[in-house]
Amino acid sequence: QKEVEQNSGPLSVPEGAIASLNCTYSDRGSQSFFWYRQYSGKSPELIMSIYSNGDKEDGRFTAQLNKASQYVSLLIRDSQPSDSATYLCAVNTGTASKLTFGTGTRLQVTL
Amino acid sequence: EAGVTQSPTHLIKTRGQQATLRCSPISGHTSVYWYQQALGLGLQFLLWYDEGEERNRGNFPPRFSGRQFPNYSSELNVNALELEDSALYLCASSLGAGPGDEQYFGPGTRLTVT
Repeated sequence: QKEVEQNSGPLSVPEGAIASLNCTYSDRGSQSFFWYRQYSGKSPELIMSIYSNGDKEDGRFTAQLNKASQYVSLLIRDSQPSDSATYLCAVNTGTASKLTFGTGTRLQVTL
Repeated sequence: EAGVTQSPTHLIKTRGQQATLRCSPISGHTSVYWYQQALGLGLQFLLWYDEGEERNRGNFPPRFSGRQFPNYSSELNVNALELEDSALYLCASSLGAGPGDEQYFGPGTRLTVT
């Protein structure tokens, strides 16, 4: 079992719709969770971090964390073509600060 | 505020040579992380430096090494290059060294080994 799992996609959503990206992790001791966006040929860009169960909103983005289910998700409201990218879920288990990344979900927002 | 910077942008080496990659963290950040993003393998943790010390390393052979300088900049050295070392090498920095500290990435160095 991979430590951090994401559906590779592509996830295709029409412009203006809500995109839902999911991530599961295996280490119950994981403390911090991050979502990064990576455009093709570019480096990852931090979108959001979440540490406690529940929802955290920042503009069009909402991160959701459920530690009991070992599940973290990212919702993108009013999706735009510029949101088309690969979204990486990263988890910090609290030991030695390294981030463990999923392989990413490719999102395509269609006109 | 300037972000994480890396140099060079691209690096082409032949098998068996050594490569040196450099990273300058965001001003005020003391922790520097190195990750490898090889095609089809995702982002893999390489090394973590904090306050000039190596704090952790990932599952990579000893020919991957590095250091952190007093100004918190860092370099990654890869000795005896192999073809499979071809990848995007990403440096990230964080303000602190706790699990909740957000890591910000630089633009990366693309290493090609021929």
